[in-house]
Amino acid sequence: DGGITQSPKYLFRKEGQNVTLSCEQNLNHDAMYWYRQDPGQGLRLIYYSQIVNDFQKGDIAEGYSVSREKKESFPLTVTSAQKNPTAFYLCASSIDGVAGVINEQFFGPGTRLTVL
Amino acid sequence: AQSVTQPDIHITVSEGASLELRCNYSYGATPYLFWYVQSPGQGLQLLLKYFSGDTLVQGIKGFEAEFKRSQSSFNLRKPSVHWSDAAEYFCAISGGYQKVTFGTGTKLQVIP
Repeated sequence: DGGITQSPKYLFRKEGQNVTLSCEQNLNHDAMYWYRQDPGQGLRLIYYSQIVNDFQKGDIAEGYSVSREKKESFPLTVTSAQKNPTAFYLCASSIDGVAGVINEQFFGPGTRLTVL
Repeated sequence: AQSVTQPDIHITVSEGASLELRCNYSYGATPYLFWYVQSPGQGLQLLLKYFSGDTLVQGIKGFEAEFKRSQSSFNLRKPSVHWSDAAEYFCAISGGYQKVTFGTGTKLQVIP
């Protein structure tokens, strides 16, 4: 079955620690995205990548970092610089790449991060 | 800049009743328009999308949406709601590049 997997489902972090959220897709999609979801605020874009070895900041990139070394993988690191990291994090992919044509996004099941 | 407004935070309907969820957007041209649904603790699933052509779009699970350029709206409708439709619904727009803007969502409660 093709799809997007995110791990872990739940993650607990102590203040001052960096944590990395995993996102893997086997849909052969070029573009991948990370969103943060907070109650009542919808989805806010953290980072996106249109092609391997390239990525761009979204609306709320401060305190986060990403890499795109493989087409299938787009891990997100929440650094200690992120002051309020407790949220639900969603990874998505779409078939589009640098051509810029938008198609639907396919979402993973999400990771809920809680800072203790 | 592009933006999406979903004016209803929470809607309650009786099972079997009709449903309309509102979505208004701001964009300088005709955007790409989407409706997604999210069950609690899950990712989002696409219900339907509008790119061009017929302004009445059919989606999965019996949903439809109508694009009205004059009102900058893309409202989601369903003629008869089922208990399994209880979820959160997100409207989204894109100008054709990689950035998609999501609304703040509407939570749907279905009562027997």
